[in-house]
Amino acid sequence: EIVLTQSPATLSLSPGERATLSCRASQSVSSYLIWYQQKPGQAPRLLIYDASNRATDIPARFSGSGSGTDFTLTISSLEPEDFAVYYCQQRSSWPPTFGGGTKVEIK
Amino acid sequence: EVQLVASGGGLVQPGGSLRLSCAASGFTFSNYWVHWVRQVPGKGLVWVSRISRDGTIKNYADSVKGRFTVSRDNAQNMQYLQMNSLRVDDTAVYYCVREWGGSGTIFDYWGQGTLATVSP
Repeated sequence: EIVLTQSPATLSLSPGERATLSCRASQSVSSYLIWYQQKPGQAPRLLIYDASNRATDIPARFSGSGSGTDFTLTISSLEPEDFAVYYCQQRSSWPPTFGGGTKVEIK
Repeated sequence: EVQLVASGGGLVQPGGSLRLSCAASGFTFSNYWVHWVRQVPGKGLVWVSRISRDGTIKNYADSVKGRFTVSRDNAQNMQYLQMNSLRVDDTAVYYCVREWGGSGTIFDYWGQGTLATVSP
């Protein structure tokens, strides 16, 4: 199965700063890479699908890029509600697999 | 409003059984594949199972194959996960998840999860 490695494990930033999160796949997943946000005590929420498409009602400050094995989630200017854990997931091959997550915390 | 409400978690001894339920509302349940995804508290997400719209196709993670059984009742808008021969490493929050129609595992709605704890 495809292994997804997310880095860094923790990102310490201040509100208003730019966040850049990485997800690397053990083999090509084409553009079939998805990002979720999870806040403490809550279920994950779909943010980005197929590398660069924002899900319904997701603010424009969230953007995704990449293809093949290297992907990036960018939050252009962090809002207080953006401090959370972010997971990537691939849907290129079976079974679907998730990365270990990146925690974006307040500096 | 789409809702997926999971229930049935609890404390069970190794070797025991639990049956998780997921009540769906706010959408036409029979039109969607549904999945279970689990998460050890403080850890990452792991896909567990899926079931097709009519319940005829079922798939499982290797770690649960032969021990877990997924089912659904479209008339009642319910999904179930029967978990047998439970092990300590099955301890997790289990999320009921909807697959975005025809996407092949884009998970667009997640329930709040139910915690299953397997401990002596």
